[in-house]
Amino acid sequence: EAGVAQSPRYKIIEKRQSVAFWCNPISGHATLYWYQQILGQGPKLLIQFQNNGVVDDSQLPKDRFSAERLKGVDSTLKIQPAKLEDSAVYLCASSPPNREGAYEQYFGPGTRLTVT
Amino acid sequence: DAKTTQPTSMDCAEGRAANLPCNHSTISGNEYVYWYRQIHSQGPQYIIHGLKNNETNEMASLIITEDRKSSTLILPHATLRDTAVYYCIVRLRNRDDKIIFGKGTRLHILP
Repeated sequence: EAGVAQSPRYKIIEKRQSVAFWCNPISGHATLYWYQQILGQGPKLLIQFQNNGVVDDSQLPKDRFSAERLKGVDSTLKIQPAKLEDSAVYLCASSPPNREGAYEQYFGPGTRLTVT
Repeated sequence: DAKTTQPTSMDCAEGRAANLPCNHSTISGNEYVYWYRQIHSQGPQYIIHGLKNNETNEMASLIITEDRKSSTLILPHATLRDTAVYYCIVRLRNRDDKIIFGKGTRLHILP
């Protein structure tokens, strides 16, 4: 089966500009996650969707970050305006329905954002 | 904060078994131990999970101590492609429980 797709793979912007990332989860996966991974650290959850509803966005900096998942499939994550500290890899993951209850997450390759 | 403690880095010779330890002394009775790994420039990859019994799959084995306060991930015959950061995670086995990643163990497989 196809994996989680993300685009673009790389993005360089200047501070105060806007940027958007796109994610297409594995077909049939109702749960979708966005993570931020700063260099040298583990990924940190930003937001979790179940279908097109938000389950957890407690760690999303809502003054500049927004995310949506229209129709419960693809998702976009936007940063407006970007700051230098937003330089990171943004990972999207999805999780299968409760067939066997493992709830493992499948990650995409990520988008590497550099803010200058 | 992550509920686990792992060594920062480890080396292992190619072809040998790689044993990665993890301490999770505050694990609760219904929390599982999950392992993921992240190869350079890729997203994390699920490896294995367990509750209290030892588990094995095509990628690795997971040994959990009887008191469940620590565990070991075993890669039986390490190859160069196993070079990665390995994350040990404790979480409930439900959709809404977060994966909280620590810094993991950077495993270097030496030729």
